[in-house]
Amino acid sequence: DAGVIQSPRHEVTEMGQEVTLRCKPISGHNSLFWYRQTMMRGLELLIYFNNNVPIDDSGMPEDRFSAKMPNASFSTLKIQPSEPRDSAVYFCASSWDQGEQYFGPGTRLTVT
Amino acid sequence: QQQVKQSPQSLIVQKGGISIINCAYENTAFDYFPWYQQFPGKGPALLIAIRPDVSEKKEGRFTISFNKSAKQFSLHIMDSQPGDSATYFCAAERETSGSRLTFGEGTQLTVNP
Repeated sequence: DAGVIQSPRHEVTEMGQEVTLRCKPISGHNSLFWYRQTMMRGLELLIYFNNNVPIDDSGMPEDRFSAKMPNASFSTLKIQPSEPRDSAVYFCASSWDQGEQYFGPGTRLTVT
Repeated sequence: QQQVKQSPQSLIVQKGGISIINCAYENTAFDYFPWYQQFPGKGPALLIAIRPDVSEKKEGRFTISFNKSAKQFSLHIMDSQPGDSATYFCAAERETSGSRLTFGEGTQLTVNP
């Protein structure tokens, strides 16, 4: 198995632009998690899905952030409009129910 | 009540020494306590985990000690190696109700050769 796949690995964009991060979970997993990692705040859960349904989005910082999971093999995290304070590494993770979470390699986002 | 506090923020150990990282939690409903290891440029990966029905779990050089009454748990790395240099995160979850992992702040471990 290729593990959790995220794209792009690096994204540099200007303030105000729309950013879309993509994630392909491990085949067979039914839970998907989006995290944000910064030096100041550490690892924060943004949202998680179970069976493609958003279960807890209380970590989504504000309305500029949205996440979708149209099917079991794909999810997106969108930021519109992006701001410099959104600069971080965004991780996607997947698991089978409440089992071990497998993290992807992350997307390093820089908003200038 | 969802906080997990981790210390130290950074740790430098000589090769062959023991590395100890501590975590404390507040929510007594937590029932699953994993440790994750993260290398630069990579995502975190599960290292070892414990549930509160035992006070210690050992896997190779890695041991979790768990003190339920004190609401604390720690990671011990015996015979630390330069390859163990990474960032370590403790976490906690109320697994039985499907709640999410709450992570500690992370500890950057450096093992000098």
